[in-house]
Amino acid sequence: AQKITQTQPGMFVQEKEAVTLDCTYDTSDQSYGLFWYKQPSSGEMIFLIYQGSYDEQNATEGRYSLNFQKARKSANLVISASQLGDSAMYFCAMREPNTGTASKLTFGTGTRLQVTL
Amino acid sequence: DVKVTQSSRYLVKRTGEKVFLECVQDMDHENMFWYRQDPGLGLRLIYFSYDVKMKEKGDIPEGYSVSREKKERFSLILESASTNQTSMYLCASSPLSRGANQPQHFGDGTRLSIL
Repeated sequence: AQKITQTQPGMFVQEKEAVTLDCTYDTSDQSYGLFWYKQPSSGEMIFLIYQGSYDEQNATEGRYSLNFQKARKSANLVISASQLGDSAMYFCAMREPNTGTASKLTFGTGTRLQVTL
Repeated sequence: DVKVTQSSRYLVKRTGEKVFLECVQDMDHENMFWYRQDPGLGLRLIYFSYDVKMKEKGDIPEGYSVSREKKERFSLILESASTNQTSMYLCASSPLSRGANQPQHFGDGTRLSIL
């Protein structure tokens, strides 16, 4: 069974600094996908970034990048130049291999990030 | 933009009531999902559907059922609500795409309280 581990329940970062949110995963599959979502206090889940297991380069989307270390089974999210609006809950998730039905996601328990002045 | 709409942001019901949570998506997605979110537990999959009238159990289906009569609508039903079903409920949808990097798109969530 797949498992996602986020060991940091909460993190603080100063505005304009970079922050890394940890995510490790456990799977016996060779083909998989990793996602990061942001959940502000309002509740909606916002997709941030995706990394495929066969992607050779780390994914980047604006201020978000994914530090993908396949041998260590880690997929850490790096947010550069933090802004107050980055304060939110962040979830790491893994997509199960397509089995002919819907591609399900397994989520970690999340990390609450607080950006301070 | 994909729009997933959940019928209520906040809902208060009583123990034993039958509760319906509605979800509608406007992007013709084949897959739809229902999760519950609890502090310290992340999101847990209740049920999902990959086609009209098709449904599959997720990780925590007990006490819930679902209905998908139309492609755009996926309903979660609490047959007899109990206090331990007080939670945040999130609906999501995604296209049917084998091996692709399609994310799931989420609604704003429903905070359900069972008294």
